[in-house]
Amino acid sequence: TQLLEQSPQFLSIQEGENLTVYCNSSSVFSSLQWYRQEPGEGPVLLVTVVTGGEVKKLKRLTFQFGDARKDSSLHITAAQPGDTGLYLCAGLSSNTGKLIFGQGTTLQVKP
Amino acid sequence: NAGVTQTPKFQVLKTGQSMTLQCAQDMNHEYMSWYRQDPGMGLRLIHYSVGAGITDQGEVPNGYNVSRSTTEDFPLRLLSAAPSQTSVYFCASSYVRNQPQHFGDGTRLSIL
Repeated sequence: TQLLEQSPQFLSIQEGENLTVYCNSSSVFSSLQWYRQEPGEGPVLLVTVVTGGEVKKLKRLTFQFGDARKDSSLHITAAQPGDTGLYLCAGLSSNTGKLIFGQGTTLQVKP
Repeated sequence: NAGVTQTPKFQVLKTGQSMTLQCAQDMNHEYMSWYRQDPGMGLRLIHYSVGAGITDQGEVPNGYNVSRSTTEDFPLRLLSAAPSQTSVYFCASSYVRNQPQHFGDGTRLSIL
């Protein structure tokens, strides 16, 4: 069974702080997707990374795909209360073609 | 812009009852899937379909049935509800399997 370990599971920080969320696996993924989910809603895609070593930026969010395509990270600079939510990584398995989700990171940014 | 529509949004069932969770998409997506979301376990794939008339099992299919008679609709049936099926259920779709998913807003299901 392929696993995607996401850490930390919970994060509570003050507005203006920086943070990093990690997504790790022993398996290789064709691509890795990051989603954000707000209470009462479904996940919404933030970004997809495809190439090993790829870095993508979305305003204050920086996403990186590991060189070996087994891990990824999400870095948020100067977090704001509007960043509060559940962040999910999902890897597309190279072997099975299935999308495997991490457990999620619940982020709370206090004003 | 409807996207993926799930009904109902909330449901309470008694153990042993059956019900169908509805999912419809208006984006002409071929790939549709059902997930359940439980605390600390992320999203787990229940069943999926790569096109009308084709369905397959995901990671946790036991206790659930699906059918795909049209491109637009992908209902999920609970045959005999059990408390372990208490969860939030999400339907998702995409043009093809390996593309990012568009999710509905979920159905919150409680089995007593």
